[in-house]
Amino acid sequence: EAGVAQSPRYKIIEKRQSVAFWCNPISGHATLYWYQQILGQGPKLLIQFQNNGVVDDSQLPKDRFSAERLKGVDSTLKIQPAKLEDSAVYLCASSLEQGGVYEQYFGPGTRLTVT
Amino acid sequence: GNSVTQMEGPVTLSEEAFLTINCTYTATGYPSLFWYVQYPGEGLQLLLKATKADDKGSNKGFEATYRKETTSFHLEKGSVQVSDSAVYFCALSPAAGNKLTFGGGTRVLVKP
Repeated sequence: EAGVAQSPRYKIIEKRQSVAFWCNPISGHATLYWYQQILGQGPKLLIQFQNNGVVDDSQLPKDRFSAERLKGVDSTLKIQPAKLEDSAVYLCASSLEQGGVYEQYFGPGTRLTVT
Repeated sequence: GNSVTQMEGPVTLSEEAFLTINCTYTATGYPSLFWYVQYPGEGLQLLLKATKADDKGSNKGFEATYRKETTSFHLEKGSVQVSDSAVYFCALSPAAGNKLTFGGGTRVLVKP
C-alpha cells in the first residue's frame, strides 16, 4: 500500500513570498490533516478535512494560510505572504477509522525555510 | 484542554541499555494514547498504541502501558540498538474525535 505522498520535500523562499505544498493521502482515507512542526517541538494541527469538508481549522492562521481538498482526495496548503516564523516542517497525514480509533499515517513532510 | 507532557531530551544511552521515556497526559474521559517515532529525515511513524486503561501496546521490542490512575503512558525498551536513535513523540486523541495532541518529543541517541 502506498503511503502519504508530499511534495516538494524542501523549499526555500524569501519572506513575503508565497508557497504551496501538495499532499496525496493513502487511498480510501477520508480524513486528511495538515500539521506544522517547528524545530524541536511536536507537530501542531493546522487543519483537518473529512472528505472535502473542513472539520477543524481553529489553529490555522487564516490571514496568511489557506488549504483546500478538492474532490476529497489531494490537498494543497498555501502560505501567502510567508513570514520568518513560518519556517518549519509541514506534515500531511491521513487516517482511517478502525474500531473507533483513528490511526494517522504521516507523509515525509515538506521542510520550509523562510529567509 | 488536552495536553501531553514528556521528558525532555536528549537521552543518550549505550547499546543494550534499558530505555524509559516518561509521558503523562491531561484529558477528559478515556483518550487513546500513541507513541510515534521520527527517524532522521523522515516523517512520523506509529510505533504503538493503547485505547483503554491497562492496555499494553507493543512493537519492535518497545512497550507502553495505559495507566489511568497515574495518567501516564511511559515508553520502555529493554535493550536498545543504535538503530533506535530517533525522536519519540507521545500523543493522545480524545475519546470522541480523532485530533492528535502531541508532546514536545524526546530525542534518543544510542551509542555503540
